[in-house]
Amino acid sequence: AQSVTQPDIHITVSEGASLELRCNYSYGATPYLFWYVQSPGQGLQLLLKYFSGDTLVQGIKGFEAEFKRSQSSFNLRKPSVHWSDAAEYFCAVGGSSNTGKLIFGQGTTLQVKP
Amino acid sequence: DTGVSQNPRHKITKRGQNVTFRCDPISEHNRLYWYRQTLGQGPEFLTYFQNEAQLEKSRLLSDRFSAERPKGSFSTLEIQRTEQGDSAMYLCASSFDPSIYFGEGSWLTVV
Repeated sequence: AQSVTQPDIHITVSEGASLELRCNYSYGATPYLFWYVQSPGQGLQLLLKYFSGDTLVQGIKGFEAEFKRSQSSFNLRKPSVHWSDAAEYFCAVGGSSNTGKLIFGQGTTLQVKP
Repeated sequence: DTGVSQNPRHKITKRGQNVTFRCDPISEHNRLYWYRQTLGQGPEFLTYFQNEAQLEKSRLLSDRFSAERPKGSFSTLEIQRTEQGDSAMYLCASSFDPSIYFGEGSWLTVV
């Protein structure tokens, strides 16, 4: 079955600390992987994506993610978190045949302490 | 550069009424998607258009739901005889390449 698991429902980090949000996926074909961020009551903003090539991808707002095929993971990282990063983060997987039909994880809520 | 636009942003309706949401995709994006998101959950795929053709519908899209994309431009999602379980945010997304861009969503509250 195709699925995305975000093991951490809620994470709290101090401003300036590093961040890693975990994402594990199960997908039968070659996966296209995405991370989105959602502020309360808002839509989803695309942070970064992986389709092929370099397994370390850079995104907007200083985020990066690393694709590890052997671990079926696509973890999101940021070296230094800002208070404005507090939001809900979603990992999603799709396939090359219909890249917009995404399967999302349940999300991780990030809280940033001053 | 305008993003994906959705209207209305918020809708409160009485159970049994019909509602319609509109989505204007990013211009030149030939693919358009509808998703539904309930509180505390990730979005769930509902349906997909390539140009004006509706190519796939999820099992979540009951007979009370209908989506159209006339002329391959904007799209509408209509919910007939709304039920309280329809309360959710309805998200529209569009794409031309593999990147998918979402709108701000339309919140539906059925009372």
